[in-house]
Amino acid sequence: AQSVTQLDSHVSVSEGTPVLLRCNYSSSYSPSLFWYVQHPNKGLQLLLKYTSAATLVKGINGFEAEFKKSETSFHLTKPSAHMSDAAEYFCVVSDPYSGTYKYIFGTGTRLKVLA
Amino acid sequence: EAQVTQNPRYLITVTGKKLTVTCSQNMNHEYMSWYRQDPGLGLRQIYYSMNVEVTDKGDVPEGYKVSRKEKRNFPLILESPSPNQTSLYFCASSLSAANQPQHFGDGTRLSIL
Repeated sequence: AQSVTQLDSHVSVSEGTPVLLRCNYSSSYSPSLFWYVQHPNKGLQLLLKYTSAATLVKGINGFEAEFKKSETSFHLTKPSAHMSDAAEYFCVVSDPYSGTYKYIFGTGTRLKVLA
Repeated sequence: EAQVTQNPRYLITVTGKKLTVTCSQNMNHEYMSWYRQDPGLGLRQIYYSMNVEVTDKGDVPEGYKVSRKEKRNFPLILESPSPNQTSLYFCASSLSAANQPQHFGDGTRLSIL
């Protein structure tokens, strides 16, 4: 069965310092992985996706993530945090080749950016 | 503009009074889905649909119904709402099967008293 674990429920960084949001997944076959961002009182916006092409994936707003199969991880990074990055971030896995067509969300990481 | 539209955005109602939340997409997407978002639990999938007349249960389907009579619409029905269904609900669509990124609606905040 598929699952996603976001290792930190809250992360605080200072503006201008690097961001690391951690995600581990479990999937038996060929997963697709996504990161979404949700700003307060807003819907979800796609940041980036991995679908078995390049393992280092670049997304919007300077975010990127690296797919590491040996570690079953898909951590989200950004070199320099901006105040506007304060939001909740969700890691998502899907694996239709396993015979199920569900999307499984992590429980989210709330990023706080300090001035 | 490509979008997923949910209505209503906010609803306060009482236990047992049937309600429907509508969802429509204008992108000709095959896959549509409903989620509920609760604090500390992330988003949990309620139902999804691979195409017209094809629906399947997600992880938390109890107390909900859906239908997919047309490709663009995927309403969520609560036939006898209860307070534990108070939540923030999102509809989403994607081009095809569950390895495509989803487009999300703006959400519907339901309060069941």
